[in-house]
Amino acid sequence: DVKVTQSSRYLVKRTGEKVFLECVQDMDHENMFWYRQDPGLGLRLIYFSYDVKMKEKGDIPEGYSVSREKKERFSLILESASTNQTSMYLCASRGPGQGIDTQYFGPGTRLTVL
Amino acid sequence: GDSVTQMEGPVTLSEEACLTINCTYTATGYPSLFWYVQYPGEGLQLLLKATKADDKGSNKGFEATYRKETTSFHLEKGSVQVSDSAVYFCALGWEKLTFGTGTRLTIIP
Repeated sequence: DVKVTQSSRYLVKRTGEKVFLECVQDMDHENMFWYRQDPGLGLRLIYFSYDVKMKEKGDIPEGYSVSREKKERFSLILESASTNQTSMYLCASRGPGQGIDTQYFGPGTRLTVL
Repeated sequence: GDSVTQMEGPVTLSEEACLTINCTYTATGYPSLFWYVQYPGEGLQLLLKATKADDKGSNKGFEATYRKETTSFHLEKGSVQVSDSAVYFCALGWEKLTFGTGTRLTIIP
């Protein structure tokens, strides 16, 4: 089974702090994604990566950056956290040869910014 | 751009009732279509998918048919259980996925 893990289930940070959210997958997937999930808005894509050191902006990249130094790890960075970044953050990965566009999700990190 | 519109929730049903959650989409071309489910406290899991027109995806008693003519992918189940209580997301895409807003389903005994 594909396993996608996220470093924290719950996180509380203060406004202005730098925040790192880590995601690791164990299936040698090339594609990885970061979403945020908000009530009434569904999932919105923040950033994605097709390969190591590659990144592409999603629909709502403002206020975020990412890092992909190793294939299995994809980090989301909030350079200076703000209260409007309080949300559930979901990481996903997708590999070749698994059928079209089957993404596997981690359990999520619920981030609260005070 | 691509978009997904799904039935507003929340939806509350009694156990063994029939379920339909509507999903319609707008997209260029013919994307793959998906239903994901999120159980309380968990991440999203793929429930079923369909990759071309008239395909039927099915899993755990749930079904959805890719209808090109009506641009729809409605989720159906003939007899729901309490364990089906969750949030259901319709999605479409090729390399990236576009999600609907989610429908919260609660099944009462």
